[in-house]
Amino acid sequence: DAGVTQSPTHLIKTRGQQVTLRCSPKSGHDTVSWYQQALGQGPQFIFQYYEEEERQRGNFPDRFSGHQFPNYSSELNVNALLLGDSALYLCASSLGVGGGGNEQFFGPGTRLTVL
Amino acid sequence: AQSVTQPDIHITVSEGASLELRCNYSYGATPYLFWYVQSPGQGLQLLLKYFSGDTLVQGIKGFEAEFKRSQSSFNLRKPSVHWSDAAEYFCAALSGGSYIPTFGRGTSLIVHP
Repeated sequence: DAGVTQSPTHLIKTRGQQVTLRCSPKSGHDTVSWYQQALGQGPQFIFQYYEEEERQRGNFPDRFSGHQFPNYSSELNVNALLLGDSALYLCASSLGVGGGGNEQFFGPGTRLTVL
Repeated sequence: AQSVTQPDIHITVSEGASLELRCNYSYGATPYLFWYVQSPGQGLQLLLKYFSGDTLVQGIKGFEAEFKRSQSSFNLRKPSVHWSDAAEYFCAALSGGSYIPTFGRGTSLIVHP
């Protein structure tokens, strides 16, 4: 049973560019959440997708957007990249929305470096 | 504002020694509480969680955590550390009606042979 997979593993972009990160949830899961983990920090919640709609959003600007496909996979898009967007981006999947009752399984992350 | 504090950035222990990682939370009501572990190049793995009931929670890999309401703490413990336990540990909290967890900044565990 494949867990959560993310691609690419690493990515280097320059300021002002746009980037798309991809996530495939664990088999049987229908909800995907995205997190940003800056170096030396804990993950920060970006947003959560369920039934192809954004259900919850953290304190991130509109430059961060996402999408969920009918097969439950998801993309995270970041426009007009800033140096401060350099981080590890984690995807987590779960079955159903909701808080602590639905355990989230995390992927290995995509390391984004903005130069 | 809701927050989770992990006071120790790094903890160094010898293999076989006991371990305690500290976590304090600041929430209006008792939140759901979690401990995750992150090994290099890996995602976060859930070690254990507390929702209600017994304040001593058993998790995977021999870890346990104790919820103390009076101290707003949820400290992680292990009686005997193995070299493979070296990793980053994150405490997280989630209020009952929210889908947005708050993570602490993490504690890096270093294990000496």
